[in-house]
Amino acid sequence: AQKITQTQPGMFVQEKEAVTLDCTYDTSDPSYGLFWYKQPSSGEMIFLIYQGSYDQQNATEGRYSLNFQKARKSANLVISASQLGDSAMYFCAMREGLQGGSEKLVFGKGTKLTVNP
Amino acid sequence: DAGVIQSPRHEVTEMGQEVTLRCKPISGHNSLFWYRQTMMRGLELLIYFNNNVPIDDSGMPEDRFSAKMPNASFSTLKIQPSEPRDSAVYFCASSLEVGGGDEQFFGPGTRLTVL
Repeated sequence: AQKITQTQPGMFVQEKEAVTLDCTYDTSDPSYGLFWYKQPSSGEMIFLIYQGSYDQQNATEGRYSLNFQKARKSANLVISASQLGDSAMYFCAMREGLQGGSEKLVFGKGTKLTVNP
Repeated sequence: DAGVIQSPRHEVTEMGQEVTLRCKPISGHNSLFWYRQTMMRGLELLIYFNNNVPIDDSGMPEDRFSAKMPNASFSTLKIQPSEPRDSAVYFCASSLEVGGGDEQFFGPGTRLTVL
C-alpha cells in the first residue's frame, strides 16, 4: 500500500481564491510527521509546512495551513489568496518513527497546481 | 547563507560510463540525504547519512550505486556503470537533526541523462 496518496494530479484555481490540496497517509506508527514541499518549474524543492502527529493545533505558515484530520489520516494543504507564483507541483511527505530517530521521508506523487489570472 | 550545493547541475553521459555526483550540505547540518526523481517513480530516498555514517541505504537500487560521506561537508553518489534507466534528477538535501519536524533543505539537483 502507498504510504502517501495525493489523488489530484492537477488542480486549477483563480488568483486570490483559496485552494485545498489533498493528502492521505498510511501508518501504524503513533509518532510521525507530515510535510509539504513546493516544486516550481525551476525544479528546486521548497519546504512549506510541517505537522507532527501529536500537535494539538493545525499548523499554519503565512498563507499556508494544514488541515490535519488524524482519525481520517489526512493532511490537506490549504493555500489562501492564491498568487500566480503559487503555480507549481506540491508534494506531501511523511516521516515515521520520530521517536526512534528515523529521518526517512516518503513522498507522494504530487499535485500540479495552476493559478489562473 | 549558502544552501546545499550540488555539482554538476547537468550531466550527459553514455551507457557504461562512471558518473559521480557531488554534494556540499549546509554548514552545521548533521544529516544528508540523496534522492532520485523520475516521472515514473516520483521522488525516492536513496540513502541518508547522519554524522557522516550511512543510516539507511535501502533505497539504493543496486550495486551499481554507491554513496560516501568522507566528512561533514562533502558527499558523493557514484553510478558505475551507468544505464539509460538511471536518467533522472538527483537531489541532495541536508538537515539539522534535533528530533521531530526538522525540515530538509534541498539542493538544486543534478539532471542526469544516460544515452
